[in-house]
Amino acid sequence: EAQVTQNPRYLITVTGKKLTVTCSQNMNHEYMSWYRQDPGLGLRQIYYSMNVEVTDKGDVPEGYKVSRKEKRNFPLILESPSPNQTSLYFCASSPGQSSGNTIYFGEGSWLTVV
Amino acid sequence: DQQVKQNSPSLSVQEGRISILNCDYTNSMFDYFLWYKKYPAEGPTFLISISSIKDKNEDGRFTVFLNKSAKHLSLHIVPSQPGDSAVYFCAAGHSSYKLIFGSGTRLLVRP
Repeated sequence: EAQVTQNPRYLITVTGKKLTVTCSQNMNHEYMSWYRQDPGLGLRQIYYSMNVEVTDKGDVPEGYKVSRKEKRNFPLILESPSPNQTSLYFCASSPGQSSGNTIYFGEGSWLTVV
Repeated sequence: DQQVKQNSPSLSVQEGRISILNCDYTNSMFDYFLWYKKYPAEGPTFLISISSIKDKNEDGRFTVFLNKSAKHLSLHIVPSQPGDSAVYFCAAGHSSYKLIFGSGTRLLVRP
């Protein structure tokens, strides 16, 4: 089954404690990205990657890091989480960058930073 | 500056009637538009799309209309069903990896 899998689905952590949210897709997609969803703001892109070892900032990259060492994995790293990073996070993948390629989303990761 | 706006945070419709969800955008470079549907505790799923060379695209009960001069997009659901109750996001972009999403509209279809 084609899917985007992210873990953990739910996490409560403390300010400053590094954490990683993993993302994996089994569709051999070139493009992957991370979004956060906040009330009244919709989905905002954090980082994206067009292929292995190619990453770029989205609209709200501050406080986040990513890496793309393998095609199927695109982890999101919060080096020093802060309460304003409490949000619902979605990983997504797509076959490529041309218009018309549907983006497939993971089920989401609820992150609370206290 | 929100480039894609969904000005109605919620909409309530009777089962069997038409649901109309609206979306406005500001960037005239956008040439591809999509609607995503999201149920609680799930990720958004693709619903329907339209490119800027068209003004209408239909898929079963779902139709998307594009008015380029007004920079306006709408999704019509006819007839509406209780299972359509979800949050609907519109998105716009000129390449798949740089979509800009609206803030979402929560649709409730009353039985």
